Amino acid sequence: NAGVMQNPRHLVRRRGQEARLRCSPMKGHSHVYWYRQLPEEGLKFMVYLQKENIIDESGMPKERFSAEFPKEGPSILRIQQVVRGDSAAYFCASSPGTGNNSPLHFGNGTRLTVT
Amino acid sequence: GDSVTQMEGPVTLSEEAFLTINCTYTATGYPSLFWYVQYPGEGLQLLLKATKADDKGSNKGFEATYRKETTSFHLEKGSVQVSDSAVYFCALRGGNQFYFGTGTSLTVIP
Repeated sequence: NAGVMQNPRHLVRRRGQEARLRCSPMKGHSHVYWYRQLPEEGLKFMVYLQKENIIDESGMPKERFSAEFPKEGPSILRIQQVVRGDSAAYFCASSPGTGNNSPLHFGNGTRLTVT
Repeated sequence: GDSVTQMEGPVTLSEEAFLTINCTYTATGYPSLFWYVQYPGEGLQLLLKATKADDKGSNKGFEATYRKETTSFHLEKGSVQVSDSAVYFCALRGGNQFYFGTGTSLTVIP
């Protein structure tokens, strides 16, 4: 299955540690989006990246959060010095980026728990 | 800016009932419209899409018609099943940006 792959599925971190979430887009997709979802809530856009470029990071907190999508390898969402409020499900989605008709394809998410 | 407004839930229906989940949008230009479904513990899955006015997207008994005159893309199903219990998201693509509704939780009881 060449779908969007996220790992790990579950991640537990203590307050102050770093969390690294990985996303491999679908084959042939060059656009990656990260979303956060709190329990019983909708999706909150965080960041949109193309290979080696951040296109829109308007939804990212200014501190502690960063994202990258290198030329080779998966996209990484990094949260430094995690706090309890960072506990959420983080979803990655990808798109081929060409044309206006292509939908987003989502991974199954990483559920981050901060203790 | 572009946005999607979705009917609030939760919605509870008996099996074989008719389902409508309302979705309206605001957009400049000519966006593509989508419905996604999310089952517990999983990511969003594309349910159906429509790319231009009067297009009807359909899949698994669900349908939605792109209505430019009313800026709507309501989701319908004639006879729901227990397995349709999930959260449904309406979404819009404008350029390379996507806008999602807040989601509508559906529970179907036997």
